[in-house]
Amino acid sequence: NAGVTQTPKFQVLKTGQSMTLQCAQDMNHNSMYWYRQDPGMGLRLIYYSASEGTTDKGEVPNGYNVSRLNKREFSLRLESAAPSQTSVYFCATWTISSYEQYFGPGTRLTVT
Amino acid sequence: AQSVTQLGSHVSVSEGALVLLRCNYSSSVPPYLFWYVQYPNQGLQLLLKYTSAATLVKGINGFEAEFKKSETSFHLTKPSAHMSDAAEYFCAVSEGTSGTYKYIFGTGTRLKVLA
Repeated sequence: NAGVTQTPKFQVLKTGQSMTLQCAQDMNHNSMYWYRQDPGMGLRLIYYSASEGTTDKGEVPNGYNVSRLNKREFSLRLESAAPSQTSVYFCATWTISSYEQYFGPGTRLTVT
Repeated sequence: AQSVTQLGSHVSVSEGALVLLRCNYSSSVPPYLFWYVQYPNQGLQLLLKYTSAATLVKGINGFEAEFKKSETSFHLTKPSAHMSDAAEYFCAVSEGTSGTYKYIFGTGTRLKVLA
């Protein structure tokens, strides 16, 4: 039972490159989330998905796109990376049975 | 929109001393409130949560928090700090409709425990 997994763990991109961050869960939770964490700013919500086939913008969606491929997987895409997107990205799931969010280990992204 | 304020981005305590991390929220409806802990280079782990049951909530590792509606506060305490408590702590409030919820996080408090 792996919980929430994220790949890759680390990534360095050049400005303008694209990449997709992957998130998968085996907890059968309907809701999934993408956050970014920056020093002194806490976690900010980028996008979320209440269920398979639906996605909604969070607080900081500009420069990102998401895909909820199925119930297990929720990917985050950077089409043209910018240095301002240097951050640690966390995926999370949520269940109404406990109102808790469960977090993955994070992806540390550096854009040069 | 709801918001969370954590007073003090850095807090230092001596080993064995009381830990008090402050969290105030704004909400127009009874909130669900959470404290998460993040150890270096790791994800977030739930410490405790308030979901409108008992106002004094006990969590893992000896932490507890008290929901005070009149003060819109949910401060985190631990009677005696341990070196292993050094980490970053986040307070969060949830808001939601239509069967799913979003979390609003505070900016975090980094706890340092001095030997």
